[in-house]
Amino acid sequence: NAGVTQTPKFQVLKTGQSMTLQCAQDMNHEYMSWYRQDPGMGLRLIHYSVGAGITDQGEVPNGYNVSRSTTEDFPLRLLSAAPSQTSVYFCASRPTGFTNQPQHFGDGTRLSIL
Amino acid sequence: AQKVTQAQTEISVVEKEDVTLDCVYETRDTTYYLFWYKQPPSGELVFLIRRNSFDEQNEISGRYSWNFQKSTSSFNFTITASQVVDSAVYFCALSEKTYTGGFKTIFGAGTRLFVKA
Repeated sequence: NAGVTQTPKFQVLKTGQSMTLQCAQDMNHEYMSWYRQDPGMGLRLIHYSVGAGITDQGEVPNGYNVSRSTTEDFPLRLLSAAPSQTSVYFCASRPTGFTNQPQHFGDGTRLSIL
Repeated sequence: AQKVTQAQTEISVVEKEDVTLDCVYETRDTTYYLFWYKQPPSGELVFLIRRNSFDEQNEISGRYSWNFQKSTSSFNFTITASQVVDSAVYFCALSEKTYTGGFKTIFGAGTRLFVKA
């Protein structure tokens, strides 16, 4: 099983460029989420979705957009990249947003903004 | 609002020592869930345990044990007889209900554990 797949694994952008981080899961999970991990800050929730067509903001949503048109995919868009968005991004999923099974995490995308 | 505090940024121990990682949480909900995850140097996130707010029983799994105390809003994690392979960053996390009815999960800042041989 592929589980949660994130692409790309690494990316370097220039300030002001736009970028979409892809996340796909093949487990038919309803709940998906995006986190960013920065040194000393742990994982901070950016956006999450409890099902197709339903998204909501997390702790640090500014500068990021999401949509959930299918159960499988939950892309994260940076509209105008800033150096403060340099981070490691993790996508996660779990069967449903209405129970609390543990999340399955992707391997992460390391993003650098110059 | 929910919040998870892991006050210990880094802990260093010698192999075979016991070590306790602290986690204090804040929530206004009566129904919530607590988790611990491990992130080894390879970077992946590994689920360790889940506990719901109605179950205050402590849990032991091999060398790992967890102490959940609602009175102090704490969910501490103890590793007995630590090993070098336990070296990792450990995250405590809290899930509580949102207005949509689903649960969202937030994490603490993590505690980096170094176990020296």
